[in-house]
Amino acid sequence: GQNIDQPTEMTATEGAIVQINCTYQTSGFNGLFWYQQHAGEAPTFLSYNVLDGLEEKGRFSSFLSRSKGYSYLLLKELQMKDSASYLCAVRDLYNFNKFYFGSGTKLNVKP
Amino acid sequence: GAGVSQSPSNKVTEKGKDVELRCDPISGHTALYWYRQSLGQGLEFLIYFQGNSAPDKSGLPSDRFSAERTGGSVSTLTIQRTQQEDSAVYLCALTSPTGLAGAFSYNEQFFGPGTRLTVL
Repeated sequence: GQNIDQPTEMTATEGAIVQINCTYQTSGFNGLFWYQQHAGEAPTFLSYNVLDGLEEKGRFSSFLSRSKGYSYLLLKELQMKDSASYLCAVRDLYNFNKFYFGSGTKLNVKP
Repeated sequence: GAGVSQSPSNKVTEKGKDVELRCDPISGHTALYWYRQSLGQGLEFLIYFQGNSAPDKSGLPSDRFSAERTGGSVSTLTIQRTQQEDSAVYLCALTSPTGLAGAFSYNEQFFGPGTRLTVL
């Protein structure tokens, strides 16, 4: 089976740094994705990790540890527009086209 | 999302009625997916198509749900005898179109705007 866990909700202050964690227990692993979803909108792709380590992309970074079944998304210099849900998704090892999504973490950025 | 349209954007129906949701993708992509998202929840995988065939239908919640795809393009998701628990946003997604993802395609998904289904 597949189990992907994320905190339900987080609150952070504008200008600060926030880390959103994702842990997974899956029968196979072939990459982890982070998506951003603003309220009432479709998810949009943020990052992808398949090897251990940190991938940096502007204010956003994503980290992966395969041995621990753990990833985090790091958002720096938070802006009000970063208020959104952040979805973690794992791609199946045996089926390149199958993805398992977590329930998402709702991030509230306050002034 | 760019290149993926869904219709209708909103659908209100009465319990017991059938509904048909449509996804119109751009050409050249590799696979098409349907997901369901209930209020405040993550994405629930329903089905995906590779070409016109559906290798994995394991996510369809019941036999009231079916989907088809014709010509490797447009896909329709049909829900028969709708129930109130079917109320959700139904999202269609595509993987990276061929040639746009570079030498190493990590196959991220591009989502359509979704159809919000409300069953009264």
